[in-house]
Amino acid sequence: GENVEQHPSTLSVQEGDSAVIKCTYSDSASNYFPWYKQELGKRPQLIIDIRSNVGEKKDQRIAVTLNKTAKHFSLHITETQPEDSAVYFCAASGFANAGGTSYGKLTFGQGTILTVHP
Amino acid sequence: ETGVTQTPRHLVMGMTNKKSLKCEQHLGHNAMYWYKQSAKKPLELMFVYNFKEQTENNSVPSRFSPECPNSSHLFLHLHTLQPEDSALYLCASSRQGNVYSGANVLTFGAGSRLTVL
Repeated sequence: GENVEQHPSTLSVQEGDSAVIKCTYSDSASNYFPWYKQELGKRPQLIIDIRSNVGEKKDQRIAVTLNKTAKHFSLHITETQPEDSAVYFCAASGFANAGGTSYGKLTFGQGTILTVHP
Repeated sequence: ETGVTQTPRHLVMGMTNKKSLKCEQHLGHNAMYWYKQSAKKPLELMFVYNFKEQTENNSVPSRFSPECPNSSHLFLHLHTLQPEDSALYLCASSRQGNVYSGANVLTFGAGSRLTVL
């Protein structure tokens, strides 16, 4: 099965700095790579995702890059703000099929606790 | 509210109790998932139901028993749990399709925080 490794486990930055979180995956068949943000006591929420036919995707201060050859992908947050403080999870997904329909099957990384100091 | 509702939000139970967690989604999705979130561990997939049929059981102990009566509701029945089962149990749902139609985009509920004494 798929195995996702995420680093670092904790990351502390000053407001305005950039933050980078890296993930590696093992299954070359995986074709979808989302990033979820989970604030304390809240549900994980999708913040950005990338599909295997794209090398980079950007949404305002957040960007994700994918290197399929090396099987790794990264989350980049620029101009960090205190409200970016949260746990960030990467995931990798292929597809499973059952009964003629398909559904997603995500394997998550261990999570990174990001703290942005004012 | 994101459309996936979990109840109860908090549950404390003894090892001999029987309780159930409930999940309901109003998004018209056809796949529903149970994940376990423990401290310092990745989100662990427990079960997947696709169109009410169980398609994944990730070697989960039989003291956890899922039930999916329809595509909108998912239950997790708990009995004779162990203290190490204490965790946040997250329900999620997704539409069916392919990667380009967003079939693997999960919408999570807020979770049920379970404490086993």
